[in-house]
Amino acid sequence: DVKVTQSSRYLVKRTGEKVFLECVQDMDHENMFWYRQDPGLGLRLIYFSYDVKMKEKGDIPEGYSVSREKKERFSLILESASTNQTSMYLCASSPPVGGAFFGQGTRLTVV
Amino acid sequence: AQSVTQLDSQVPVFEEAPVELRCNYSSSVSVYLFWYVQYPNQGLQLLLKYLSGSTLVESINGFEAEFNKSQTSFHLRKPSVHISDTAEYFCAVSPYSGGGADGLTFGKGTHLIIQP
Repeated sequence: DVKVTQSSRYLVKRTGEKVFLECVQDMDHENMFWYRQDPGLGLRLIYFSYDVKMKEKGDIPEGYSVSREKKERFSLILESASTNQTSMYLCASSPPVGGAFFGQGTRLTVV
Repeated sequence: AQSVTQLDSQVPVFEEAPVELRCNYSSSVSVYLFWYVQYPNQGLQLLLKYLSGSTLVESINGFEAEFNKSQTSFHLRKPSVHISDTAEYFCAVSPYSGGGADGLTFGKGTHLIIQP
């Protein structure tokens, strides 16, 4: 069974902390994505990567960075967490055609 | 660039009644089309997709969607809903080119509420 695994389901962090969200896929996909999901706004793309060490900004990259040192792992980094980054974060990977596979999500609360 | 509009943020229906969730898209290039479902506190699961061929596509749990190129629509339907269909449904598109690297553009979602 194909899998995208996010390291945490729930996370509570303090304002100003550096936060790492980890994502691992076992499908050998080249494409990986980080989305943010907020009520009434749907899913918005933060960053994506189409190869190791490659990264591209999505629609809302401000306040975030990413790292992809290995094909199977894609990390989202909040350099200095703020309360407006409280959200559900979804990682996904995809083949060239056919849609994306999603992890179970990380619900991050910044206090 | 692409955009997806889901016309209803919330759709309440009675159990065993039919339902249609509407989706329209805008794109300057050809796109693949998808419906995803999200159950409470879970990630998104692919429900069905249109890549090519027959414009009517079906899922294993009774949902179907029809691609209408002239109306740029991909509405989702089910003839008889069950209480377990209560979930958030997202329509999404992905451009033909780019090898999937551009990701998906999503609508804002439709919350399907099944009433007993």
